[in-house]
Amino acid sequence: AQSVTQLGSHVSVSEGALVLLRCNYSSSVPPYLFWYVQYPNQGLQLLLKYTSAATLVKGINGFEAEFKKSETSFHLTKPSAHMSDAAEYFCAVSDGRNNNDMRFGAGTRLTVKP
Amino acid sequence: DAGVTQSPTHLIKTRGQHVTLRCSPISGHKSVSWYQQVLGQGPQFIFQYYEKEERGRGNFPDRFSARQFPNYSSELNVNALLLGDSALYLCASSLAGTGVAYEQYFGPGTRLTVT
Repeated sequence: AQSVTQLGSHVSVSEGALVLLRCNYSSSVPPYLFWYVQYPNQGLQLLLKYTSAATLVKGINGFEAEFKKSETSFHLTKPSAHMSDAAEYFCAVSDGRNNNDMRFGAGTRLTVKP
Repeated sequence: DAGVTQSPTHLIKTRGQHVTLRCSPISGHKSVSWYQQVLGQGPQFIFQYYEKEERGRGNFPDRFSARQFPNYSSELNVNALLLGDSALYLCASSLAGTGVAYEQYFGPGTRLTVT
């Protein structure tokens, strides 16, 4: 079975500061990993995904994530936070064969202070 | 282009009642998936339909059912509502198939409250 754990249900940063949202995964097969963002009253939007190619994945809005097999991690980072980054972020894992088996973490709410 | 649309946006029902939620996928998308997102948790997969056939089912009771119509829109039905069914129900569409190569596009969801 696959699962992800997001460390920290709430993260608060100042505008311009580094954003680091943590995700650790558990998978018995090579995983496919995803980060989604959810703004209030909206659906989920894909930020980036890892599909066994380059370990450093660049996504939209300046976000990137690095797949570290030795640490079973897929942390999301952004060098400089913007007020518009305030949202809920979800990490998800799949075995790659089927979207049906995508398992989401509980989410991390990012607050950006002016 | 319009994104995934869902109706209604909000719904309040009483325990034991039945509810139908509707989803229209992005034009050209043939796959629709349904997810339940309980407050404070990530989405959980309920169903996937592709070309009007069920292609996957999550760990949900038989009170949950769905179908896909010839125009690829979809309905999610929940019978005998329980308080625990209160959640945001998300619909996602993708171009084709079930593989992760096909990005899922999510709608804004329907907020169901069961009292």
